[in-house]
Amino acid sequence: NAGVTQTPKFQVLKTGQSMTLQCAQDMNHEYMSWYRQDPGMGLRLIHYSVGAGITDQGEVPNGYNVSRSTTEDFPLRLLSAAPSQTSVYFCASSYSASGGAGGEQFFGPGTRLTVL
Amino acid sequence: AQSVTQPDIHITVSEGASLELRCNYSYGATPYLFWYVQSPGQGLQLLLKYFSGDTLVQGIKGFEAEFKRSQSSFNLRKPSVHWSDAAEYFCAVGARNAGNMLTFGGGTRLMVKP
Repeated sequence: NAGVTQTPKFQVLKTGQSMTLQCAQDMNHEYMSWYRQDPGMGLRLIHYSVGAGITDQGEVPNGYNVSRSTTEDFPLRLLSAAPSQTSVYFCASSYSASGGAGGEQFFGPGTRLTVL
Repeated sequence: AQSVTQPDIHITVSEGASLELRCNYSYGATPYLFWYVQSPGQGLQLLLKYFSGDTLVQGIKGFEAEFKRSQSSFNLRKPSVHWSDAAEYFCAVGARNAGNMLTFGGGTRLMVKP
């Protein structure tokens, strides 16, 4: 199993450009999510999905769109990039909770995005 | 809303010394708690997790953490630090009713002196 994969690893954008960060998992996990990591702030949740066709906003959703058409893929779209979106982006997946127990989140290697 | 505080931004310890990284959380119910480690330029690796049961949790690489409900804490410990433990450590609380999504603390950067 490849686990959680993310592409690209690095990306430089100009202000106003759009792009899609790709995330895929091969563990048949129901839950997937996107976080951004900024110095001193840990990771903050952008959007998450509890299954194909179901998404919801996290703590910092503005400027980002997501959709989940398959169990495997959860792309993150930047509609009009801004310098404030310069960050490292992590995708994660987990199996669904059952019997009150939660699922460990598995993280991808990250995408480092710079917006000029 | 849940929150996590890691009071120490940087900690430096000597190799072989003991380590304790502090984590305090705020959550309205019994939390899921996690510690992750991140080496420079790398992704996150799970060290250990608490869901229920025994409040002393053993993890990988010789780490352990103790859940103290009365203090809303989940401190990470290691009896003898190795140079390879130098990294950034994140405490996180998981939301049982929101797809296991995590709220992270700001992280503690650990440096190890030879």
